[in-house]
Amino acid sequence: SQQGEEDPQALSIQEGENATMNCSYKTSINNLQWYRQNSGRGLVHLILIRSNEREKHSGRLRVTLDTSKKSSSLLITASRAADTASYFCAPLGAGGTSYGKLTFGQGTILTVHP
Amino acid sequence: DVKVTQSSRYLVKRTGEKVFLECVQDMDHENMFWYRQDPGLGLRLIYFSYDVKMKEKGDIPEGYSVSREKKERFSLILESASTNQTSMYLCASSFSTPIGKNIQYFGAGTRLSVL
Repeated sequence: SQQGEEDPQALSIQEGENATMNCSYKTSINNLQWYRQNSGRGLVHLILIRSNEREKHSGRLRVTLDTSKKSSSLLITASRAADTASYFCAPLGAGGTSYGKLTFGQGTILTVHP
Repeated sequence: DVKVTQSSRYLVKRTGEKVFLECVQDMDHENMFWYRQDPGLGLRLIYFSYDVKMKEKGDIPEGYSVSREKKERFSLILESASTNQTSMYLCASSFSTPIGKNIQYFGAGTRLSVL
């Protein structure tokens, strides 16, 4: 498995603004997943983008993938205070039998102020 | 909905005690994982299992063991708890196939304090 690295480490915005988080990885991937973690809780899967996709939407979430730059971004539009959480990307490496092992980075801490 | 249940939300143990953390999933997932999460270090994989009685070491297996006697249950064992094992422990599960999915479903976590 390989690790995704999220950037920035922390992001603070006002309610209604958009939030953009970035993820970089090192080798070829099968897919890339984004997860959210509310304080003191487990992670929740948000969205999965396959290596042959460039953009994916889910409600207020938009994920892009640029395999040539080995990077992905997560955009949350019209943010709400309830979006306050840590966000993690998890690339799934291509090839071999990984048993679905994912390696999580340190995440981006998003704070949305009412 | 997929449900991954960890037996305790909070646990306080003494140094040297044997500690069992239990995780149960109800979706017939083949894969199960144990992570620990520490500030500044993110999530680190301790052990995972891809089938009953099968286990593989993750990135930080030292001081831990696991048991998977039934498909739905994956236990993490701290043979002799130490203060540096104070952490948040997260269990997750996923299907093996189809390749390219492997979405992990997490439990709520167990915050373990070793005194």
